[in-house]
Amino acid sequence: NAGVMQNPRHLVRRRGQEARLRCSPMKGHSHVYWYRQLPEEGLKFMVYLQKENIIDESGMPKERFSAEFPKEGPSILRIQQVVRGDSAAYFCASSGGTNNQPQHFGDGTRLSIL
Amino acid sequence: RKEVEQDPGPFNVPEGATVAFNCTYSNSASQSFFWYRQDCRKEPKLLMSVYSSGNEDGRFTAQLNRASQYISLLIRDSKLSDSATYLCAVTPGGSTLGRLYFGRGTQLTVWP
Repeated sequence: NAGVMQNPRHLVRRRGQEARLRCSPMKGHSHVYWYRQLPEEGLKFMVYLQKENIIDESGMPKERFSAEFPKEGPSILRIQQVVRGDSAAYFCASSGGTNNQPQHFGDGTRLSIL
Repeated sequence: RKEVEQDPGPFNVPEGATVAFNCTYSNSASQSFFWYRQDCRKEPKLLMSVYSSGNEDGRFTAQLNRASQYISLLIRDSKLSDSATYLCAVTPGGSTLGRLYFGRGTQLTVWP
């Protein structure tokens, strides 16, 4: 499967725990983006990464959220000390560049906080 | 003002109908434009990019009007399988190049 791969598909955490969401971009893509979709709301940009670099994290909450895209392995979105309001669908997208290059999305991770 | 605004609908049309969606964007320097479709509890799937001269893909036609800062999507001969939420997305350009701003989506239901 050459598409964007996200796992897990569903993740349940209790308040205060950590959530780790993983994303492997489409083959040949080096640009990764994370978006969050709250119930009944639109997709909101969180962060844009290239290998070993955070390019734009202006959409990330200031606390508890972090992202990385290491030289080897998938991109990771990490949420520490989760709260109920973190419950959402988290989508990863990848593209081959930024100049008119469309972004292709993974299946998403649906995070539920108990 | 939101970066991208769409009429949320819902649009309910019979099979075979023609339906059009509009989407307005606030940043005149926006560079790239796309339409995505999202089925319930699924990921957004790219429907088509929108080019300055307009473009067509089968029953779907996309238009860009830079002067009025809106993009449109026209669906001809609607099928039941077209029922979904349609999202417009815009890349603002400049220092924010790379991120996509999405509208909240327009819900379409095609009935038999």
